[in-house]
Amino acid sequence: DAKTTQPPSMDCAEGRAANLPCNHSTISGNEYVYWYRQIHSQGPQYIIHGLKNNETNEMASLIITEDRKSSTLILPHATLRDTAVYYCIVGPAGGTSYGKLTFGQGTILTVHP
Amino acid sequence: DTGVSQDPRHKITKRGQNVTFRCDPISEHNRLYWYRQTLGQGPEFLTYFQNEAQLEKSRLLSDRFSAERPKGSFSTLEIQRTEQGDSAMYLCASSPRATGELFFGEGSRLTVL
Repeated sequence: DAKTTQPPSMDCAEGRAANLPCNHSTISGNEYVYWYRQIHSQGPQYIIHGLKNNETNEMASLIITEDRKSSTLILPHATLRDTAVYYCIVGPAGGTSYGKLTFGQGTILTVHP
Repeated sequence: DTGVSQDPRHKITKRGQNVTFRCDPISEHNRLYWYRQTLGQGPEFLTYFQNEAQLEKSRLLSDRFSAERPKGSFSTLEIQRTEQGDSAMYLCASSPRATGELFFGEGSRLTVL
């Protein structure tokens, strides 16, 4: 699986958009980009995933560059409850390994009042 | 709450003892995963079941570790002759289909003294 690079930490003001970047320059054509987050002492929570098109759901938006070498997770209106570690993962493309995810160190997002 | 349930949430044991963790996945999710997370690190894949069949095991899963999923429902993860290096959060996740969208439980935290 391709590796990802994320900043170790980011800050965001409550109510503002949080834009979390991720580099995945070695991603292959059929690998997906997944985002999870982990609030302290809880299990990881799936946020969103995409292949090449931008995606949006009730939690966030995912913007993937045209060359697919990087992506940005956008939390449109961050709240204090969004403070968590955010993981960008390049997921396996098929076979039995769909759920075999390689988590990196992630980005610690701190939302300030 | 019909999410993934793990038991016990916390376990403190002495080195050399055996411990067993149980995971109840979301009903009708035929895919079940075990991950391990040590302090300050992202979760690491341990093993994967599709129904009752264990289809993949990580090299992290030494011969002291055994996982089962009888009848394709709940799963157990047993660690024999525990070592201090086994101290970690053991996370279970399930999924209804071949996807990287996993539903994680709250985890079982193991402390080996």
